Amino acid sequence: GEDVEQSLFLSVREGDSSVINCTYTDSSSTYLYWYKQEPGAGLQLLTYIFSNMDMKQDQRLTVLLNKKDKHLSLRIADTQTGDSAIYFCAEGTSGTYKYIFGTGTRLKVLA
Amino acid sequence: KAGVTQTPRYLIKTRGQQVTLSCSPISGHRSVSWYQQTPGQGLQFLFEYFSETQRNKGNFPGRFSGRQFSNSRSEMNVSTLELGDSALYLCASSLNRGPTYEQYFGPGTRLTVT
Repeated sequence: GEDVEQSLFLSVREGDSSVINCTYTDSSSTYLYWYKQEPGAGLQLLTYIFSNMDMKQDQRLTVLLNKKDKHLSLRIADTQTGDSAIYFCAEGTSGTYKYIFGTGTRLKVLA
Repeated sequence: KAGVTQTPRYLIKTRGQQVTLSCSPISGHRSVSWYQQTPGQGLQFLFEYFSETQRNKGNFPGRFSGRQFSNSRSEMNVSTLELGDSALYLCASSLNRGPTYEQYFGPGTRLTVT
């Protein structure tokens, strides 16, 4: 199957950590990506993780991958109001640029 | 380096008309992909071009077509527009060099069909 699921909404207070979850189904996925979309804009690549990795840290962002459960998460430390956006996970198979995107999680950061 | 550019940014068309959207990739990028984004269906892959050849195609009707030029710029065309074609059309470019296959997106073209 090619379904990638995310929860629709997440609300956090400024300064707290945010955790956005994603469940994918294609076991042949090689890379998994996180994108951010602000209102009226395209998608901004935040980070990615190779399927044989468990964790990747990039400044305030931490990606965790549980391949057995096909579960991916993005943790944003010290969340700021500028982090308010829609976050998409996407899975890709090596050798192609045909991504399967998740449904998107709208993150709202309260001051 | 300039990012991916898409023109026009906004477009209003009438049912039955056709439309052409343009995408200029990041300099040096040779792969261009197109995605449709709607509130109901989310982000869906349309097609991908490399070296002027379509390499992958999504599940869209034949009314949706594309092409790529020798300078890697790409266009997509939608003929006989339907109301359901109203969407944000996103273009993404890539270096076409593994192993990460990351794509960089443009701001999109917002198409409204009336």
